[in-house]
Amino acid sequence: QKEVEQDPGPLSVPEGAIVSLNCTYSNSAFQYFMWYRQYSRKGPELLMYTYSSGNKEDGRFTAQVDKSSKYISLFIRDSQPSDSATYLCAMSAGNTPLVFGKGTRLSVIA
Amino acid sequence: SQTIHQWPATLVQPVGSPLSLECTVEGTSNPNLYWYRQAAGRGLQLLFYSVGIGQISSEVPQNLSASRPQDRQFILSSKKLLLSDSGFYLCAWALPGYGYTFGSGTRLTVV
Repeated sequence: QKEVEQDPGPLSVPEGAIVSLNCTYSNSAFQYFMWYRQYSRKGPELLMYTYSSGNKEDGRFTAQVDKSSKYISLFIRDSQPSDSATYLCAMSAGNTPLVFGKGTRLSVIA
Repeated sequence: SQTIHQWPATLVQPVGSPLSLECTVEGTSNPNLYWYRQAAGRGLQLLFYSVGIGQISSEVPQNLSASRPQDRQFILSSKKLLLSDSGFYLCAWALPGYGYTFGSGTRLTVV
């Protein structure tokens, strides 16, 4: 079993839809959880950062962590064509490097 | 504010040639530094990371090496490139407990 599993998609939604992106993981020591957005031929940029379990909201984005199920989610409300990108989940146990999912490619169609 | 510079943006190199990619960070001290490679369909693969000058941890044994000659400088090198070294190379920095900030990447094609 891989440490971090993420459906690569592609995922195509109409503009204005709610998008749900997910990752599962196997290492119970993970406690820092992040979501990165990567546009084509660019470096990833940090979108959301969550410590331990719970929800975090930032504008149209909500990150959820369920440590009991080893499952994290990113929700995008009122999706826009500019949200079209690859979304990568990442997690760490603390003093260890981030482990990334393979990324989910999202297309928001106008 | 902190910035990260990575160059060159694109590189085409013949098999067997040497490689040197440089990454520098400004506006912070003693950052953790990372080299990742991203190949199509394979996600981000950690190659090397460094928590201080001269301290390099290698995650994947291969013909690449890394060095940190100064606090905010991280260099990725190879003596002889292989076709399999083609990919998108990303440098990143972070302070402990914080998210990573990535550079703009170098797209390397080995021909």
